[in-house]
Amino acid sequence: TQLLEQSPQFLSIQEGENLTVYCNSSSVFSSLQWYRQEPGEGPVLLVTVVTGGEVKKLKRLTFQFGDARKDSSLHITAAQPGDTGLYLCAGAGWTSGSRLTFGEGTQLTVNP
Amino acid sequence: DAGVIQSPRHEVTEMGQEVTLRCKPISGHNSLFWYRQTMMRGLELLIYFNNNVPIDDSGMPEDRFSAKMPNASFSTLKIQPSEPRDSAVYFCASSLAFTAIGELFFGEGSRLTVL
Repeated sequence: TQLLEQSPQFLSIQEGENLTVYCNSSSVFSSLQWYRQEPGEGPVLLVTVVTGGEVKKLKRLTFQFGDARKDSSLHITAAQPGDTGLYLCAGAGWTSGSRLTFGEGTQLTVNP
Repeated sequence: DAGVIQSPRHEVTEMGQEVTLRCKPISGHNSLFWYRQTMMRGLELLIYFNNNVPIDDSGMPEDRFSAKMPNASFSTLKIQPSEPRDSAVYFCASSLAFTAIGELFFGEGSRLTVL
């Protein structure tokens, strides 16, 4: 079983601060996705990274896929209250086809 | 455009009762997934279908759970008999591609409480 560990589990910060959340595994993934989930809704895809060492930017969000394809990070610059939500990483193994393994998530709260 | 539609949004039932959750995927998507989300275990994949055919049901907890996809626009997840430990939010998701790189589009979920 491929496991993804996310840290921290909970993060509460003030508006304007920067933060990084991590997604780590002992397994190698063919690709990794980040989703954000708001209360009462399903997760929504933010980004997919497929190449080791890849860095993708989405406005104030920067995603990085580790060189060894075992880990990923999400960095948010100048966090805003609208960034509040549960951030989930999900990895796909080489032979698992469509089966994504989700981490347990990082619950981010950005206080105004 | 309509997204993935799930019903009911909330279900409260008593232990031993049958529960049926319904899902309408996005039109044109050929893969459909059922997930369960709890605080303790996070998001767990229960089963997924490709072109209406179940591909992997190894995540289904036990025989009390069953899922069907009779056509491309409808799927059900049934729990019979239900138990309190089945209380969770059940998500249906659909995808255009049968690869893990494809984006999963989730419904809003069905929150199940078994008393």
